[in-house]
Amino acid sequence: DSGVTQTPKHLITATGQRVTLRCSPRSGDLSVYWYQQSLDQGLQFLIQYYNGEERAKGNILERFSAQQFPDLHSELNLSSLELGDSALYFCASSVGQGQTNNEQFFGPGTRLTVL
Amino acid sequence: AQKVTQAQTEISVVEKEDVTLDCVYETRDTTYYLFWYKQPPSGELVFLIRRNSFDEQNEISGRYSWNFQKSTSSFNFTITASQVVDSAVYFCALSEAGFGNEKLTFGTGTRLTIIP
Repeated sequence: DSGVTQTPKHLITATGQRVTLRCSPRSGDLSVYWYQQSLDQGLQFLIQYYNGEERAKGNILERFSAQQFPDLHSELNLSSLELGDSALYFCASSVGQGQTNNEQFFGPGTRLTVL
Repeated sequence: AQKVTQAQTEISVVEKEDVTLDCVYETRDTTYYLFWYKQPPSGELVFLIRRNSFDEQNEISGRYSWNFQKSTSSFNFTITASQVVDSAVYFCALSEAGFGNEKLTFGTGTRLTIIP
């Protein structure tokens, strides 16, 4: 158990809908990352938050947004869903402090299926 | 731009054999970090090792060992005396140093099957 929790574990929805994925980082970790894993794109970085502020952005679609709350949990919002958004969405957390890139610990993922 | 290549898509070995998973990376930075993660059939990503670019010492952890060679931009992973529980997809990843560069760039993964 990495200490990172994600809910829900599975999500099935229809095209055009909006969903919210939730992540709680490990105790003490200030950085939260979101990644998408799909068969055609592999594991791709979406976005990073550090202590409530956006820190880095990857190939995240405009239909997707995220935020990190004062209690450090994070939510990834996916809207106007398309079939191609079906994927495994991972949240990861790291200490995120200092000059070194700490290891990231991953949650169990949320499997999103868009029908 | 940073890139990680795992040329071996799938490997199958018989239990107790040794197996090496290859990882080649590209980066323009002189300071960077390399990682290996394991994704078992259950789907989670399990952290295995982190190595920074200034530490070229090989690392051994039980049956696992890692060979980091800057001269060939490689960070290979060897499992000795493989076991069925080692069956998983293994990902090599890279991040560059600096504020806002902590994101991981992953290779495409190597699916390892250990045959009992």
